Amino acid sequence: SQQGEEDPQALSIQEGENATMNCSYKTSINNLQWYRQNSGRGLVHLILIRSNEREKHSGRLRVTLDTSKKSSSLLITASRAADTASYFCATDEYGRGGKLIFGQGTELSVKP
Amino acid sequence: EPEVTQTPSHQVTQMGQEVILRCVPISNHLYFYWYRQILGQKVEFLVSFYNNEISEKSEIFDDQFSVERPDGSNFTLKIRSTKLEDSAMYFCASSEERGPYEQYFGPGTRLTVT
Repeated sequence: SQQGEEDPQALSIQEGENATMNCSYKTSINNLQWYRQNSGRGLVHLILIRSNEREKHSGRLRVTLDTSKKSSSLLITASRAADTASYFCATDEYGRGGKLIFGQGTELSVKP
Repeated sequence: EPEVTQTPSHQVTQMGQEVILRCVPISNHLYFYWYRQILGQKVEFLVSFYNNEISEKSEIFDDQFSVERPDGSNFTLKIRSTKLEDSAMYFCASSEERGPYEQYFGPGTRLTVT
């Protein structure tokens, strides 16, 4: 798989349920960032986790990073219809100048 | 809250024409980036810019592309002679520093080449 690949590609859940999205990457990284994109709109920064961190929380978001497995997960708890969007992970490759490599994204649909 | 802004939101141009996409990064940020997203595809890095010069560029960023910071606030992407395949959403981003710092993205310019 390519750097920053998410799975599943699409996820449909009911409001109130938790949503978990996974991301895998190939190279050593400085950090991993998660972004949200509403259809046809810009990228909204959600959370950054550094390579020496294992878990990070922000509101209803929980991100984990396992550098030994080169993988990360994004958990959205108590989902809302407004969480419907595409979610991307992006890696900042170690030793490179801040260039982000994005995955294909997970399309999350939260049904009311 | 400070944000990255981009103009125009939508640009339609004919093949072969020059276009300039404009961005105003967050004021205290030092690193600037352009990315693009062809419809239905992943976001791709084009170029990074620091201290008035290009830090890194991708294979996509060929001689048809150029970037400039003409003054203390604007950051521009110029495409000299547009092709149909340049149709995409172009995002500008900025960060305080290089490396493990958040990159904040603008809302994008949708470029349509006809």
